[in-house]
Amino acid sequence: AQKITQTQPGMFVQEKEAVTLDCTYDTSDPSYGLFWYKQPSSGEMIFLIYQGSYDQQNATEGRYSLNFQKARKSANLVISASQLGDSAMYFCAMREDNTGNQFYFGTGTSLTVIP
Amino acid sequence: GAGVSQTPSNKVTEKGKYVELRCDPISGHTALYWYRQSLGQGPEFLIYFQGTGAADDSGLPNDRFFAVRPEGSVSTLKIQRTERGDSAVYLCASSLIGSGAQETQYFGPGTRLLVL
Repeated sequence: AQKITQTQPGMFVQEKEAVTLDCTYDTSDPSYGLFWYKQPSSGEMIFLIYQGSYDQQNATEGRYSLNFQKARKSANLVISASQLGDSAMYFCAMREDNTGNQFYFGTGTSLTVIP
Repeated sequence: GAGVSQTPSNKVTEKGKYVELRCDPISGHTALYWYRQSLGQGPEFLIYFQGTGAADDSGLPNDRFFAVRPEGSVSTLKIQRTERGDSAVYLCASSLIGSGAQETQYFGPGTRLLVL
């Protein structure tokens, strides 16, 4: 089974609007971390936001927030007030505390912000 | 800069040749990771170093792939007898101590390898 599933290959959003990028995960480890990265066309993976499995509140970082629904095993990224510079690939990733140090990545969502 | 750096940024080689890809992690980071990203996919784990030792090499696809980190800082990923299927972006990441689900990995810009 896939550890991370991103079901939206491509998304479009109007500039200044909000957009939600979906991510579901699969793990039996009670302790894990969820991460979102942005990958512009230049290729570098840019860390956006982190959510821990024991965190009681949803993580927020500026215009980024994470809609964490533990029972549903989902960790959707919400970008508010979209900007043209937000156009990029977005990857959801998970790291399990007890089964190694690697990140498991999804296949990504390509976001295009329309002026 | 203070980020993860990788050289070369692009590498074109012929099938059967040997290549080395270099990663310089963030200063002070003891954990270093290599990932491979094929076109249209997310990064896939190759190997993880804690200090000088390879703590987890379960992601290396076969024995043509090898990586070292002799002094606990710079790492080199080595690919022998390259094949066309090795063409991908090779990403390096580092993190502070390498333990705990909360620890963020910081990525370099990657090396784009093309095997002709």
